[in-house]
Amino acid sequence: EAQVTQNPRYLITVTGKKLTVTCSQNMNHEYMSWYRQDPGLGLRQIYYSMNVEVTDKGDVPEGYKVSRKEKRNFPLILESPSPNQTSLYFCASSLSSLAATYEQYFGPGTRLTVT
Amino acid sequence: AQKITQTQPGMFVQEKEAVTLDCTYDTSDPSYGLFWYKQPSSGEMIFLIYQGSYDQQNATEGRYSLNFQKARKSANLVISASQLGDSAMYFCADFKAGGTSYGKLTFGQGTILTVHP
Repeated sequence: EAQVTQNPRYLITVTGKKLTVTCSQNMNHEYMSWYRQDPGLGLRQIYYSMNVEVTDKGDVPEGYKVSRKEKRNFPLILESPSPNQTSLYFCASSLSSLAATYEQYFGPGTRLTVT
Repeated sequence: AQKITQTQPGMFVQEKEAVTLDCTYDTSDPSYGLFWYKQPSSGEMIFLIYQGSYDQQNATEGRYSLNFQKARKSANLVISASQLGDSAMYFCADFKAGGTSYGKLTFGQGTILTVHP
């Protein structure tokens, strides 16, 4: 089944403890992206990747890191999480970054709480 | 910078009636794509419809149509014959298809649609 998977789905952690949220897609998509969703703010893009080894900042990259070493995986790293990073996180992918035509396929979301 | 504005935090519609959800965008790029997504209470994001900046005709997908007014920079979603299952949060989004920050996707704040029986 074509899908985007994220792990973990739920995570409660403490301030300063490094964590990684994994994202994987099995559709051979070029484009991958991370978003956070907060009430009243919609979805905000954190980082995106047009292809392997190519990443760019979105609107809210502070406090996050990403890497794209292989096409299928795009992990999100929080080196030192803080309470203001408590949010619902979505990973998404789309077929190609060469045109705006392709819709994003979203993962199921990761609900992160930082205490 | 791209900006998407959805001015209606919440909308109500009677079942079987049509409803329009507003979306305005602010981009100076000639090439972009506009998307609408639905997020039911279960949380998943569902793609509904796409409109390219160079498309001459308004996009349609079943009961969904996009009223694209390029000069006014608006991309309103029209849902015809509303169903109870249409109750959800709806997001408008703009994909930057040229220039610096090529590939950046900006979402609006969302509109919660409630369909009454």
